[in-house]
Amino acid sequence: KAGVTQTPRYLIKTRGQQVTLSCSPISGHRSVSWYQQTPGQGLQFLFEYFSETQRNKGNFPGRFSGRQFSNSRSEMNVSTLELGDSALYLCASSIGLAGGQAEQFFGPGTRLTVL
Amino acid sequence: DQQVKQNSPSLSVQEGRISILNCDYTNSMFDYFLWYKKYPAEGPTFLISISSIKDKNEDGRFTVFLNKSAKHLSLHIVPSQPGDSAVYFCAASQKLVFGQGTRLTINP
Repeated sequence: KAGVTQTPRYLIKTRGQQVTLSCSPISGHRSVSWYQQTPGQGLQFLFEYFSETQRNKGNFPGRFSGRQFSNSRSEMNVSTLELGDSALYLCASSIGLAGGQAEQFFGPGTRLTVL
Repeated sequence: DQQVKQNSPSLSVQEGRISILNCDYTNSMFDYFLWYKKYPAEGPTFLISISSIKDKNEDGRFTVFLNKSAKHLSLHIVPSQPGDSAVYFCAASQKLVFGQGTRLTINP
């Protein structure tokens, strides 16, 4: 079974631009979660999508948004990029049990650098 | 507000000895905890989990202990091997609130 894939793996943008990251979950998984990893903050939860609906949301500004398609693939969008948005963005998929008691499988991440 | 905390950013252990990684949480509603291991340039990989109805879960060299009254969990790796050198994250419940991670280095 193929793992979680994320594209692109590396991205360089400038302040003020917007970016879209893509995540393809493991086949059969309906839940996709997004995380931001920075050296000082560790892994921070952005949001979770399940069956095309946002089921959980972290404490990030509205510049961070996402969506999920009928095939469970998900995209994350960041508008008006700031220098502090430079991070590794990870997506994780799971079968999506209610209550969260299901193992999440992570993709390799997209390294975003904002100049 | 850091609901899951790993207070040791790094740990160095001799090969063959026991590695103990610690994690504290503040939210008593958390009922499921996981440990993830992360190598550079890769996403985290699941290691072991524990439900709040248990106080211990063992899988080979890895054992997770949960002390609900102290809101504390720990991961024991014994014996430690050089391939265990990685960053370890503990995480809690549904939307996976992660700790900041502990970088474990196993010295041959």
